[in-house]
Amino acid sequence: GAVVSQHPSRVICKSGTSVKIECRSLDFQATTMFWYRQFPKQSLMLMATSNEGSKATYEQGVEKDKFLINHASLTLSTLTVTSAHPEDSSFYICSARVTASGPQHFGDGTRLSIL
Amino acid sequence: GENVEQHPSTLSVQEGDSAVIKCTYSDSASNYFPWYKQELGKRPQLIIDIRSNVGEKKDQRIAVTLNKTAKHFSLHITETQPEDSAVYFCAARSPLGTSYDKVIFGPGTSLSVIP
Repeated sequence: GAVVSQHPSRVICKSGTSVKIECRSLDFQATTMFWYRQFPKQSLMLMATSNEGSKATYEQGVEKDKFLINHASLTLSTLTVTSAHPEDSSFYICSARVTASGPQHFGDGTRLSIL
Repeated sequence: GENVEQHPSTLSVQEGDSAVIKCTYSDSASNYFPWYKQELGKRPQLIIDIRSNVGEKKDQRIAVTLNKTAKHFSLHITETQPEDSAVYFCAARSPLGTSYDKVIFGPGTSLSVIP
């Protein structure tokens, strides 16, 4: 149980393209999902908390107009990197909790490469 | 907000020896401390967690200790095996329902187990 599915696993695109990443909880409902970014050999940095039916909460320094988050259902959150540039290249990974007090379960991540 | 530090950043041990990774956290209100193992290019996987009302928890070769007073917690892996080689992240979470209800990760420890 507690499977989080993330798509796509790999994206390579040109600078200026907008890229959408999906995060789904397959066997549970998640009112809250989390989006992280991980640069090579670095830790997971929380970008934002995605709340079903309301606006996402962004961490300090994360541009909300750059990283659009939509959590329209209890099993799906999407992250759209708008007008992506090479510096946005990174490993983006989502997570969700089955219960509020339980551990986070991670998706497989999306490796984004902007040329 | 919460800040998590982790040492050492790299650790090499001989197969069969023990490995210890130490973390400190800054927010005394944090009450949940998970540990994740991440293999190269893959998702972080929860290996053990501990809550603030417990001082120690063990699961086969893995144990975690927590010192709330000192705001320290540690991961102990005994009888290490080559497949234990990975990056390990400690993390801390503040109480549910607060604006800080999110998991903050330490910088990670790259563990190498030498056969």
